[in-house]
Amino acid sequence: DGGITQSPKYLFRKEGQNVTLSCEQNLNHDAMYWYRQDPGQGLRLIYYSQIVNDFQKGDIAEGYSVSREKKESFPLTVTSAQKNPTAFYLCASSISGTGNNYGYTFGSGTRLTVV
Amino acid sequence: KQEVTQIPAALSVPEGENLVLNCSFTDSAIYNLQWFRQDPGKGLTSLLLIQSSQREQTSGRLNASLDKSSGRSTLYIAASQPGDSATYLCAVFLGGYNKLIFGAGTRLAVHP
Repeated sequence: DGGITQSPKYLFRKEGQNVTLSCEQNLNHDAMYWYRQDPGQGLRLIYYSQIVNDFQKGDIAEGYSVSREKKESFPLTVTSAQKNPTAFYLCASSISGTGNNYGYTFGSGTRLTVV
Repeated sequence: KQEVTQIPAALSVPEGENLVLNCSFTDSAIYNLQWFRQDPGKGLTSLLLIQSSQREQTSGRLNASLDKSSGRSTLYIAASQPGDSATYLCAVFLGGYNKLIFGAGTRLAVHP
């Protein structure tokens, strides 16, 4: 079955540590996205990529970094510069990142906690 | 700046009731609108996608309408069941910015 796989499901980060969240899709979608979800708030866009080897900052990119070396993969690194990283992180993909939207598909999320 | 608002924030109903969830957006220049369901601790499941040229979409007991000129969408759930309990999110797509902007969601509880 086609879909998006996020791993790990739970992740714990120590102060000053960088951690990387994995996102893989086998839907042959061009565009991929990372969102952050905090309790009682809507999803906020961190980074997005419309095509391989290209990505843009979203609304809350500070303290995060991404890469898009393969169409299937869009890993997110939470750096030590992100002062409040505890949140639920969601990865999504869509057929095309330009022009119209044919619907987004989401992964099952990674819950990151600072310890 | 596009803002998406969902009312009510939470809703509790007895099983079998028909109910309406509301979504409003401030800028009518959207490409389309998508309704999602989110179970606790899980990712988002797409329910319905309405293109800007459409008025409504239906899937089973769900019906979503879109009034782009007034900046409103509603999600109608017929004959609600306990399994419908979840958070429902609406999101609008801004084509020029390639962004999907979300509301904060409506948390629905359907009790037997």
